[in-house]
Amino acid sequence: DTGVSQNPRHKITKRGQNVTFRCDPISEHNRLYWYRQTLGQGPEFLTYFQNEAQLEKSRLLSDRFSAERPKGSFSTLEIQRTEQGDSAMYLCASSFQGLGANVLTFGAGSRLTVL
Amino acid sequence: GENVEQHPSTLSVQEGDSAVIKCTYSDSASNYFPWYKQELGKGPQLIIDIRSNVGEKKDQRIAVTLNKTAKHFSLHITETQPEDSAVYFCAASTGNTPLVFGKGTRLSVIA
Repeated sequence: DTGVSQNPRHKITKRGQNVTFRCDPISEHNRLYWYRQTLGQGPEFLTYFQNEAQLEKSRLLSDRFSAERPKGSFSTLEIQRTEQGDSAMYLCASSFQGLGANVLTFGAGSRLTVL
Repeated sequence: GENVEQHPSTLSVQEGDSAVIKCTYSDSASNYFPWYKQELGKGPQLIIDIRSNVGEKKDQRIAVTLNKTAKHFSLHITETQPEDSAVYFCAASTGNTPLVFGKGTRLSVIA
């Protein structure tokens, strides 16, 4: 297993365009998280899945954002009608939620630049 | 919801000295406190964590202490090395809720 994989690593787009990011978690992990990180800040929670069910969405996740995890494997995060304020690093993490706390393994992130 | 405050935002130490980073949290129900290290161009990597049933945990040059009464926890790095230079994040969770992160501390170890 090569860990959590995110693609693309960097995306440059013009304002108003749609973008999609993909995350492939560690295979035996049943939870998958999306976080957003802006320059000089810590990761901010966006949403998470347990298997294919989306269990929680942050108020940061406006209606232009949608995330899916079909079949409980990889996940996609789509941003429609991008705005300059969407420029950030989008981090994906996965964990195995058995007994005990979340031990998250992060991917390297997908950096979005909106011009 | 949970709120995590982290200090200092930047820290410079001489190689071989110790570094201490402190965090406070607001939700008394939080019981899991990990620390992550993020290097340039990489995602955060877990370096140590502590659960509320212990007050201290050590792993080689890294230790974490937890004071549940005061709702604060700290990361201690001894005998710092240039490769310790990175951004460090603390986080808190109730165990079944998503991690809430602090804003990070940029540690620079000067050779």
